[in-house]
Amino acid sequence: DAKTTQPPSMDCAEGRAANLPCNHSTISGNEYVYWYRQIHSQGPQYIIHGLKNNETNEMASLIITEDRKSSTLILPHATLRDTAVYYCIVRPSGGSNYKLTFGKGTLLTVNP
Amino acid sequence: NAGVTQTPKFQVLKTGQSMTLQCAQDMNHEYMSWYRQDPGMGLRLIHYSVGAGITDQGEVPNGYNVSRSTTEDFPLRLLSAAPSQTSVYFCASNRGYNYGYTFGSGTRLTVV
Repeated sequence: DAKTTQPPSMDCAEGRAANLPCNHSTISGNEYVYWYRQIHSQGPQYIIHGLKNNETNEMASLIITEDRKSSTLILPHATLRDTAVYYCIVRPSGGSNYKLTFGKGTLLTVNP
Repeated sequence: NAGVTQTPKFQVLKTGQSMTLQCAQDMNHEYMSWYRQDPGMGLRLIHYSVGAGITDQGEVPNGYNVSRSTTEDFPLRLLSAAPSQTSVYFCASNRGYNYGYTFGSGTRLTVV
């Protein structure tokens, strides 16, 4: 499985865009990049995923570099409720596609 | 549509006791899995199922059993509880490879 590298923590001012980076330099061609977040004491929440094109939904945007070795999750207008641990996960292909391998993620703190 | 429902939310067990953590989903998802989360660590996969009647082990299966008799339910059984099984347990379900997982709110288990 491709490994991911994320900064352990980031800060963001309320109302500003939060840009969370993820490095996945060993990703293979048919592996997707998924983002989840976990607000304190709650179950993880799916945010967005993509293969090679940029993606946007009501929660966030995902920018994947052309070589697919890194990506950035963008929360366009961060609020205090976005304070959470954000996990970047590469979804394995083939017979083990059920599995999510969670690293330690990035603790995003949104400050007033 | 309740999503993924886990019961109980909290449980205290004595060493050696057995119990079943319940997980139910009403989204007709084929994939279901159980994770545990220990302080300061990411989620680790215990067992998973790709459909009714089919289960398999994840990365930390020892001390746990699962069965999947229906699409909706995926209970996790602790055979003989040990203090090392003190953790937060999350159940998750997924419609298929190109979709995000939906997680339950967790069961906080303490073994004394």
